Amino acid sequence: AQSVTQLGSHVSVSEGALVLLRCNYSSSVPPYLFWYVQYPNQGLQLLLKYTTGATLVKGINGFEAEFKKSETSFHLTKPSAHMSDAAEYFCAVSDVWGGSNYKLTFGKGTLLTVNP
Amino acid sequence: ETGVTQTPRHLVMGMTNKKSLKCEQHLGHNAMYWYKQSAKKPLELMFVYSLEERVENNSVPSRFSPECPNSSHLFLHLHTLQPEDSALYLCASSQAGQSSYEQYFGPGTRLTVT
Repeated sequence: AQSVTQLGSHVSVSEGALVLLRCNYSSSVPPYLFWYVQYPNQGLQLLLKYTTGATLVKGINGFEAEFKKSETSFHLTKPSAHMSDAAEYFCAVSDVWGGSNYKLTFGKGTLLTVNP
Repeated sequence: ETGVTQTPRHLVMGMTNKKSLKCEQHLGHNAMYWYKQSAKKPLELMFVYSLEERVENNSVPSRFSPECPNSSHLFLHLHTLQPEDSALYLCASSQAGQSSYEQYFGPGTRLTVT
């Protein structure tokens, strides 16, 4: 089974600073990787995903992530944080479940705080 | 309505009550999911309905019972819950059969068991 580790349950940055949220995964097969964001009192919204092809993936709201197979990592970055980026971020990997069905295995999440 | 909707958004119930959570997806998907999100724990997949086939997580207590009458609707029936069942219950949908397909989530139902 796949697993996901998000380093740092809480990351705090200043407005305008670089955002770096770390995600490492374990997978016995080429992984499909996802980043989701959850704003307070809302569900999860897809930020970006990696399936195949280019290892640098661009998503919504200026976020991007780079798949590094040798490091089994899929870190999320944004060059300049906005106050509106304050939320919880989840990294996930796709996994087979129940034979032919697929599920997402999530990390524990990283709460991003943006200070003015 | 667009995307994935869930009702009610908040629910308080006693341990002897019976209630149901409802989820509806307007995306034409054919797989639907229930997740439990508790504080400081990873999201836990509870149930999957894929191409009208139910796939169960064996660790889910029998006091949770899903129902999927068609590909657009999903219910979670609750009875004799415990306080530790208090959590945010998220519904999601996707296209079945491809691991690269992302899941789309509803806003969740915040459940409190008293």
